[in-house]
Amino acid sequence: EAQVTQNPRYLITVTGKKLTVTCSQNMNHEYMSWYRQDPGLGLRQIYYSMNVEVTDKGDVPEGYKVSRKEKRNFPLILESPSPNQTSLYFCASSLYQGAVSPLHFGNGTRLTVT
Amino acid sequence: ELKVEQNPLFLSMQEGKNYTIYCNYSTTSDRLYWYRQDPGKSLESLFVLLSNGAVKQEGRLMASLDTKARLSTLHITAAVHDLSATYFCAVSIRGTSGSRLTFGEGTQLTVNP
Repeated sequence: EAQVTQNPRYLITVTGKKLTVTCSQNMNHEYMSWYRQDPGLGLRQIYYSMNVEVTDKGDVPEGYKVSRKEKRNFPLILESPSPNQTSLYFCASSLYQGAVSPLHFGNGTRLTVT
Repeated sequence: ELKVEQNPLFLSMQEGKNYTIYCNYSTTSDRLYWYRQDPGKSLESLFVLLSNGAVKQEGRLMASLDTKARLSTLHITAAVHDLSATYFCAVSIRGTSGSRLTFGEGTQLTVNP
């Protein structure tokens, strides 16, 4: 089944403890991106990647890192999480961003930083 | 900076009624998307609109795009309870290192029996 898989679905952590949220897609998509969703703010793009080893900042990249060493994986890294990063995170992919194809979203990761 | 605004943000309507959700954006774009999100779920693609005057329909939902006015609409015809969800528009613009997608705040639709 074609899908975007995020792990974990739920994560509670403490301020300053490094964490990684994994994202993997099995559709051979070139484009992948991370969003955070907060009430009243819609989805805001954190980082995106056009292809392997090509990443760029979205609208809210501060406090986050990403890497794209393989086409299928695009992990989101929080080196020193803070409470304002408590949010619902979505990973998404599409064939390539220049195409018509819409984004396919993962099921989300609900992160709480205390 | 691209701004995408949806109106209304909250919509409560009765089954059988028609209504329109509006999506305004602030700069030239090469495509516009509509997504649906059910409570506690992920986002599901509804429509992709590419050109001025584009109109797409799926069931009771119809989306249109006016690039000159920088406006897209999502029209709901004879609403049913199953359409209750949050609807997002998203606008794509091309930058030097690829396209970026900016979402509106979302319109939370509740259809009452």
